[in-house]
Amino acid sequence: EIVLTQSPGTLSLSPGERATLSCTASQRVSSNYLAWYQQRPGQAPRLLIYGASSRATGIPDRFSGSGSGTDFTLTISSLEPEDSAVYYCQQYGTSPLTFGGGTKVQIK
Amino acid sequence: EVQLVESGGGLVQPGRSLRLSCAASGFTFDDYAMNWVRQAPGKGLEWVSGISWNSGSIGYADSVKGRFTISRDNAKNSLYLQMNSLRAEDMALYYCAKGVYSGSHNAFDFWGQGTMVTVSS
Repeated sequence: EIVLTQSPGTLSLSPGERATLSCTASQRVSSNYLAWYQQRPGQAPRLLIYGASSRATGIPDRFSGSGSGTDFTLTISSLEPEDSAVYYCQQYGTSPLTFGGGTKVQIK
Repeated sequence: EVQLVESGGGLVQPGRSLRLSCAASGFTFDDYAMNWVRQAPGKGLEWVSGISWNSGSIGYADSVKGRFTISRDNAKNSLYLQMNSLRAEDMALYYCAKGVYSGSHNAFDFWGQGTMVTVSS
């Protein structure tokens, strides 16, 4: 199975700062089928990005995804207080589908 | 408005069975793949199983293969997960999640609120 490694484990930044989250796959992700989710405490995950760089419906344009092959990045261009959450990457190109371990973003 | 409502969770002894259900509304159910994803308390997300729009393609995580069975009833707009031979490590919040597309390889654009499965003697 494809193992996804997310870094850093925790990111602590101030409002307005730029956040860069990394997701590295143990093998090439087929067709760049890579998604990013946001999960706030006590809530279900929310799809942010799919196909490595396509924003899901209703997602603010401060969220962007990039990358291909084995290395992918989620960028939050200017952090808002409501962006405090855990962010997961997921590959859906190869079964079994797998998730990364998550990056916790804390807003100072 | 898309709604996914899971039910069927609860406390079950190791080795016993449980059947989860997910009632879907607000979209054309038989146009999309559906999935189950679980999250153990304080842990990350784990994909459990997925099924394509017409049940023609089904997949399972290795951890549940041979014990869990996913199915859907498009006439009832419902998704199911039959869980047999439950183990302590199956204890988690189980989410029903809608695929972005109809096929088996999908991101998940809508999620339910989950149903908790507790496995304990």
